Amino acid sequence: DGGITQSPKYLFRKEGQNVTLSCEQNLNHDAMYWYRQDPGQGLRLIYYSQIVNDFQKGDIAEGYSVSREKKESFPLTVTSAQKNPTAFYLCASSPGLYAGELFFGEGSRLTVL
Amino acid sequence: SQQGEEDPQALSIQEGENATMNCSYKTSINNLQWYRQNSGRGLVHLILIRSNEREKHSGRLRVTLDTSKKSSSLLITASRAADTASYFCATTLRSQGNLIFGKGTKLSVKP
Repeated sequence: DGGITQSPKYLFRKEGQNVTLSCEQNLNHDAMYWYRQDPGQGLRLIYYSQIVNDFQKGDIAEGYSVSREKKESFPLTVTSAQKNPTAFYLCASSPGLYAGELFFGEGSRLTVL
Repeated sequence: SQQGEEDPQALSIQEGENATMNCSYKTSINNLQWYRQNSGRGLVHLILIRSNEREKHSGRLRVTLDTSKKSSSLLITASRAADTASYFCATTLRSQGNLIFGKGTKLSVKP
């Protein structure tokens, strides 16, 4: 089945540690996105990638980093510079940049202790 | 930047009733989308309506778009307990092309 797989589903880390969230898609989509969702809030864009080896900052990129070395993979690293990293992180993809609907993964919930 | 705002923030109805959620936005759009999110899960796309369209249907869903009022509504007819979820509108801005999500309406359908 085609889709987007995020892992891990739940992640606990201590303050000051970097953590990497995985996002893999087998939909052959060019564009991929990372969003952050806080309780009762909408989605805020962290980073997006239109094509392999290219990515751009979104609205809240500070304290995060990404890479896009392969078309199907778009990992997100939450660095120690992110002041409030506890949140629900969602990865999405689409055939082209904001071309039609976005397909979402099931999310990763990060809790910093 | 907050483009889409859903109203109400929360809605509680009985099974079988209709549920109406509204979305207002501020600047010109290319299209507007509605997504559904079950608690703790990812978002699922429901419907996309383009700026030159006024109404679209998909099963029990009916979406309207009024560009003069910069607003859209999502109607779920004959609601079921399984419709319990948060519903988000997302707009693609004509000026920037990016997709901006609202804060969502939390719908609770009681059996």
